Amino acid sequence: KAGVTQTPRYLIKTRGQQVTLSCSPISGHRSVSWYQQTPGQGLQFLFEYFSETQRNKGNFPGRFSGRQFSNSRSEMNVSTLELGDSALYLCASSLVLAGGGDEQFFGPGTRLTVL
Amino acid sequence: AQTVTQSQPEMSVQEAETVTLSCTYDTSENNYYLFWYKQPPSRQMILVIRQEAYKQQNATENRFSVNFQKAAKSFSLKISDSQLGDTAMYFCAFMKQASNYQLIWGAGTKLIIKP
Repeated sequence: KAGVTQTPRYLIKTRGQQVTLSCSPISGHRSVSWYQQTPGQGLQFLFEYFSETQRNKGNFPGRFSGRQFSNSRSEMNVSTLELGDSALYLCASSLVLAGGGDEQFFGPGTRLTVL
Repeated sequence: AQTVTQSQPEMSVQEAETVTLSCTYDTSENNYYLFWYKQPPSRQMILVIRQEAYKQQNATENRFSVNFQKAAKSFSLKISDSQLGDTAMYFCAFMKQASNYQLIWGAGTKLIIKP
């Protein structure tokens, strides 16, 4: 079974631009979560989607948004990029077992550099 | 708000030795899950071990085991017979039940296994 895939793997943008990152979850997984990883702030939760609905959102400005499609694929968008948005963006998918708390499977990440 | 603390930024041990990584957390929740994730230099995050808070028995996965002390809010990871492939960043993470997969992460411990 294929793992979580993220595209693109690397991205270079300039301040003020916008960017869209894509995540394809493991087949059958219905929940997709996004995390930002930086040397200074570590790993931080961005948001989680299930059945095309955002169920949870971390403490990020409105420039960060996302969506999920009917096939569970997800995209996240960052508008008006700032230098501080440079990070590794990780996507994770989960099967959604009764009771929750099941494992999240991570993709390889998208390395975004903002110049 | 929940917090996760990993007090050891970096550790190194000789191959075949046993090493213990520390993790403490702060929460007022009673139902939650704890995880140890491994992020090798290739950056793919991989689940090492998972613990449900309601289970008193410590989780084990082959060479990996945890010491879960709920009252002390401590969740340490023991790696026995360490191998070169164990070299990685190790992250401790907390998820409260019904949080829709929102992981709260520690800062990580860089573990180096020396030949």
